[in-house]
Amino acid sequence: QSALTQPASVSGSPGQSITISCTGTSTDVGTYNLVSWYQQHPGKAPKLMIYEGSQRPSGVSNRFSGSKSGNTASLTISGLQAEDEADYYCCSYAGFITPGVVFGGGTKLTVL
Amino acid sequence: QVQLQQWGAGLLKPSETLSLTCEVYGGSFSGYYWSWIRQPPGKGLEWIGEINHSGRTNYNPSLKSRVTMSVDTSKSQFSLKLISVTAADTAVYYCARVPAYCSGGTCYSRSYFDYWGQGGLVTVSS
Repeated sequence: QSALTQPASVSGSPGQSITISCTGTSTDVGTYNLVSWYQQHPGKAPKLMIYEGSQRPSGVSNRFSGSKSGNTASLTISGLQAEDEADYYCCSYAGFITPGVVFGGGTKLTVL
Repeated sequence: QVQLQQWGAGLLKPSETLSLTCEVYGGSFSGYYWSWIRQPPGKGLEWIGEINHSGRTNYNPSLKSRVTMSVDTSKSQFSLKLISVTAADTAVYYCARVPAYCSGGTCYSRSYFDYWGQGGLVTVSS
């Protein structure tokens, strides 16, 4: 299982939109629509923001959306707010041969 | 409201065994997988493994030789044991719930974590 690739950091101003990419391979992200995204504030447990590629859990703002193209999944946050500043992790089903999941290295989002 | 409460020793010496337990409050215990995830200080998340109510497990291949997970459905608890710990095992450990779908008598993990425990730092140091 190899880690998924995320940019180390992204930034944006309040009200803007940003996109965080998550690149895997044809054996994980590219084949299965089982990518999830987590928001983590310092000292807190991660929080589920998107599951199964583009599904939003109840209570998560519709400013958060997920998509996929080929081996790359993306998280888009629109109407950026100060409280969105956090670390974001993607996660994918790792494949049928080795059941389990693999995480991305995480992206630090800074709201300028 | 689903809550996960975890506990276990926070300071270990090299070669000792890490032992953590997570208890689930609210919601069903069956019909889900239950997972452990860890995060070394200042680093990213690492999946350790998962177990369902009937004891079916999946482990991270990199940790498989040292990991054992178990479940006690009567107490809505699941546990993690990691043997022969080293400083590289120092991390915040989280327990989490994993939704599942069941077909033909077998339940499959849906590979995402919807509820998390509060996390606990485990430090390995001599």
